[in-house]
Amino acid sequence: DTGVSQNPRHKITKRGQNVTFRCDPISEHNRLYWYRQTLGQGPEFLTYFQNEAQLEKSRLLSDRFSAERPKGSFSTLEIQRTEQGDSAMYLCASSFNPGQPRNTEAFFGQGTRLTVV
Amino acid sequence: AQSVTQLGSHVSVSEGALVLLRCNYSSSVPPYLFWYVQYPNQGLQLLLKYTSAATLVKGINGFEAEFKKSETSFHLTKPSAHMSDAAEYFCAVSEDRDDKIIFGKGTRLHILP
Repeated sequence: DTGVSQNPRHKITKRGQNVTFRCDPISEHNRLYWYRQTLGQGPEFLTYFQNEAQLEKSRLLSDRFSAERPKGSFSTLEIQRTEQGDSAMYLCASSFNPGQPRNTEAFFGQGTRLTVV
Repeated sequence: AQSVTQLGSHVSVSEGALVLLRCNYSSSVPPYLFWYVQYPNQGLQLLLKYTSAATLVKGINGFEAEFKKSETSFHLTKPSAHMSDAAEYFCAVSEDRDDKIIFGKGTRLHILP
């Protein structure tokens, strides 16, 4: 297993364009998380999935953002009508939660760096 | 809602000196606590985690952290700093009820020769 994989690693887009990022979690991990990290800040929680179900969305996630995990494996994060404020590193993480006892050790990908010009 | 506060956005220590990175948490229920490290242009790597089994937690690369409920703290320490420890360190908290991990703003550790 090569760990959590994110594509692309870098994306430069013009303001107003749509972008989509992909995350492939560690196989058999049922939890998948999306975070956003800006320079000098810690990762900010955006949303997470248990298998294909989206359990929670942060208030940071405006209507322009949508995330899916259609078959409970890979996930996509789409940003519509990008704005310069969307420029950030988008991190994906996965974990295996068997119920009780919990194991919330999350493994992170290397992220997708988005630059909106 | 759970949260963490990391004291000091930048910490500098001399090579061979003690490393102490401070983290205080807020949680309405017994928390799970983590320290992650991020090297330049790399993803986050778990250093150690507290899950209520033992208050003193040992992690990778010689780091350890002690959970102190009375002080709501989970400070990260290493007896002797190495140049390779220079990185950004994040404290994080999670609660049983929703399982998402909330990060602090991070502390950048600089190692002086």
